[in-house]
This record gives sequence, structure tokens and C-alpha cells, in this order.
Amino acid sequence: GAVVSQHPSRVICKSGTSVKIECRSLDFQATTMFWYRQFPKQSLMLMATSNEGSKATYEQGVEKDKFLINHASLTLSTLTVTSAHPEDSSFYICSTQRDSTDTQYFGPGTRLTVL
Amino acid sequence: AQSVTQLGSHVSVSEGALVLLRCNYSSSVPPYLFWYVQYPNQGLQLLLKYTSAATLVKGINGFEAEFKKSETSFHLTKPSAHMSDAAEYFCAVRKGGNEKLTFGTGTRLTIIP
Repeated sequence: GAVVSQHPSRVICKSGTSVKIECRSLDFQATTMFWYRQFPKQSLMLMATSNEGSKATYEQGVEKDKFLINHASLTLSTLTVTSAHPEDSSFYICSTQRDSTDTQYFGPGTRLTVL
Repeated sequence: AQSVTQLGSHVSVSEGALVLLRCNYSSSVPPYLFWYVQYPNQGLQLLLKYTSAATLVKGINGFEAEFKKSETSFHLTKPSAHMSDAAEYFCAVRKGGNEKLTFGTGTRLTIIP
């Protein structure tokens, strides 16, 4: 399988601050990356699809102005949680794939805690 | 719309016993089906995938799954459970040509010594 990294693995911040999470595809150039959110003891919910060089596609109910996604290069996508609030506390996971027929490979996740 | 249903949010088996985790899908077209495993505070690791080739798919760690179109099922099995198999397991479906994965609600597998 492919190697996907995320940084940081864990972050604690105060309410109202912004937090940036990085997702890197280490084995191949990924034109598409995905961002998921997972609440405790729940499944993964797709937040958005990140495409290199274009705007991200957000799922219904996900605020694009709150969750800013930047796919700056073929190996890096970032998710910025702006003006974070305690309800944004969650486990954020990214994934990458080479093309639409490929398997998705997941990063190790980032646990965000907003105080 | 495509979806997956995982029956049983918690499954407990004794070490050495058969593991059976159930997954049923609904899809208007032949789907791609996946099983992922998640250990605590980690991302997801692919166990195996079905992509319309052989109906019996073998994965890592001794797991396998059989695609049964007549039953719209893709159950995950392992003949003999090991303590290290304790984790959360997710079934996922993707419609051919569509990038998005839809996940089931997950099944937490506990292994009893």
C-alpha cells in the first residue's frame, strides 16, 4: 500500500483559533485527496474532495468557509479549521488515490481537541 | 444511492475461533467493495478489495471475503482469530467510476483470550 502522512498527529487549541492539518502523499503524486471526519465510535464521514490546482468539492452540510482546503501540490493537501469551536473536536483523516479506479490509502489521522 | 450495512456494531469471538463480520451493500451498478481495519487512534488500513474479478478475495492478516451478488453481501471472515485482530472494521462501497467511498458504521471486534 501507499504511504500517507499527516501532521500534526494531535493538536489542542483554544476556541476561536485556527488549526492547519497537513496531508502528504509520500509514494505517488495524487491529483485527488479526500478529507474525512470521524467522531468517537462513529464511522468516517467524507467532508470534501481536494483536487490539485482547483477548488475543493465539499459534501452537503460542510461549511467551506470554515474548513479551508488547499491542494497546493500533487503531494500535499492542507485542511485549515478556522475559528475552531469545541464541536469541531474530532479525528480528521485524509486519503489519497492515484486515479478514480485506484484504492484509497489513508493517513494516520489527526486528533483535534478544541478547548 | 449506494450504501453499506454492517450488522452488529460489536462482535466478540474467542481466540482461535472463526471471525465473521457481516456487510451488505446496495448499489444500482456493480460496486467496488472494500474492508478496512482501524486500530485505536490510527488511520484505516486496507484489508482487501473486490473489483469484479474473483468473487473470493484474499487479504492481509489471513482475512478473506466473498462477494455474493445474489445476497448483496461481502462478509469478512478469518478461520482463526488472533488477539491482534482486535480492532474496528469498516466495510465500504464505491460505485464504479465514482471516486467517493461510502463507509458502513463499523464493527468493533473483541477477541476473548
